[in-house]
Amino acid sequence: QLQLQESGPGLVKPSETLSLTCTVSGGSISSSSYYWGWIRQPPGKGLEWIGSIYYSGSTYYNPSLKSRVTISVDTSKNQFSLKLSSVTAADTAVYYCARRGYSGYDFRPNWFDPWGQGTLVTVSS
Amino acid sequence: NFMLTQPHSVSESPGKTVTISCTRSSGSIASNYVQWYQQRPGSAPTTVIYEDNQRPSGVPDRFSGSIDSSSNSASLTISGLKTEDEADYYCQSYDSSNHAVFGGGTKLTVL
Repeated sequence: QLQLQESGPGLVKPSETLSLTCTVSGGSISSSSYYWGWIRQPPGKGLEWIGSIYYSGSTYYNPSLKSRVTISVDTSKNQFSLKLSSVTAADTAVYYCARRGYSGYDFRPNWFDPWGQGTLVTVSS
Repeated sequence: NFMLTQPHSVSESPGKTVTISCTRSSGSIASNYVQWYQQRPGSAPTTVIYEDNQRPSGVPDRFSGSIDSSSNSASLTISGLKTEDEADYYCQSYDSSNHAVFGGGTKLTVL
């Protein structure tokens, strides 16, 4: 059974860079059938997609965050990572990683599943 | 980019049927698949509907999804409501560049 687990510091200072890693177990991150994504959720608010990466390194980023986001992949470790620079209190959120699939019928992107349990990152001095 | 608009909250009694809407602000609702996620407090989201109307294994057939091009919206219908269905529900789709977009979420209360 595929599982994803986020890890990284729970507290980041304003203006610094938030760094998180998602470790994939029970399956290979190098599967040609999937992208791997980051989604966040500020306390008490809704979900926001941050970006997605393919095992080859191809990326999609949320246009509203693109200037501050870098997502990378390490296939040797079966991990992918998120870096968000110049953080402010508005970046305080639970950060989730998830696998994103493609329809086997028409190759359009479909669901994010499964998700990691999420990790709370607080931006504060 | 487009927005997906959901009602902030809905409530219904156990055993009844409830429908949650998700309206796409621009572009066709049919152009990209719509997914629905259930999120209980303190937990990660889980998928209840994918590809507009498909249920993952393990999701009861009380959950169904549809899209309506005339209103440019998607709907999640839950029949035979149970107290365990009380949760936040999010719709999600993509733009033409495969950027994911989430709706603002709907809090379902089963009372």
